[in-house]
Amino acid sequence: GESVGLHLPTLSVQEGDNSIINCAYSNSASDYFIWYKQESGKGPQFIIDIRSNMDKRQGQRVTVLLNKTVKHLSLQIAATQPGDSAVYFCAEAPGGYNKLIFGAGTRLAVHP
Amino acid sequence: GAGVSQSPSNKVTEKGKDVELRCDPISGHTALYWYRQSLGQGLEFLIYFQGNSAPDKSGLPSDRFSAERTGGSVSTLTIQRTQQEDSAVYLCASSLTGGWVYTFGSGTRLTVV
Repeated sequence: GESVGLHLPTLSVQEGDNSIINCAYSNSASDYFIWYKQESGKGPQFIIDIRSNMDKRQGQRVTVLLNKTVKHLSLQIAATQPGDSAVYFCAEAPGGYNKLIFGAGTRLAVHP
Repeated sequence: GAGVSQSPSNKVTEKGKDVELRCDPISGHTALYWYRQSLGQGLEFLIYFQGNSAPDKSGLPSDRFSAERTGGSVSTLTIQRTQQEDSAVYLCASSLTGGWVYTFGSGTRLTVV
């Protein structure tokens, strides 16, 4: 769905299913990408990162895929658990800049 | 400390008043960032400090906003003459020598009434 004003796109999944959260980034010169998870009332927490010379990286239950051709990043969560419910942000590091640029975020809701 | 500490956690202020938000980064982290997160939105960059270098202030939305970092550690973000549109969660993060993996604090929720 579209992110307009106060409304984050929401992905609803059943516990145990796999989740895929997508992100389109803006700068073709970005050379580093990160996924953060933000639970209610907390600051974002690092999940996984990937450099632009890679197209896939795996962590524990999470996989990040990078498609530089279409400037697309995805986060896959295997066997989604209720504790995975949060807002997920992708962030890019444009070369030559001092800061990460964050996407708008996707809310993941896990239902039992 | 073990993590990034921000205070206060919540602040309600009247329109036109000045506010100061504090950030204690992780000990040894030379890079410190301030971001703003409006309700249901992504993170908007405000300012970046790295060691003794001049800060990158390119994200500050107006001259009512300023920040300083004393002794390469604690940082204070000051908003003068607050407006209702300043209401947001202000997040501080630090990283080791400007690395891209940030550790965020829990933020200060600012409400201007």
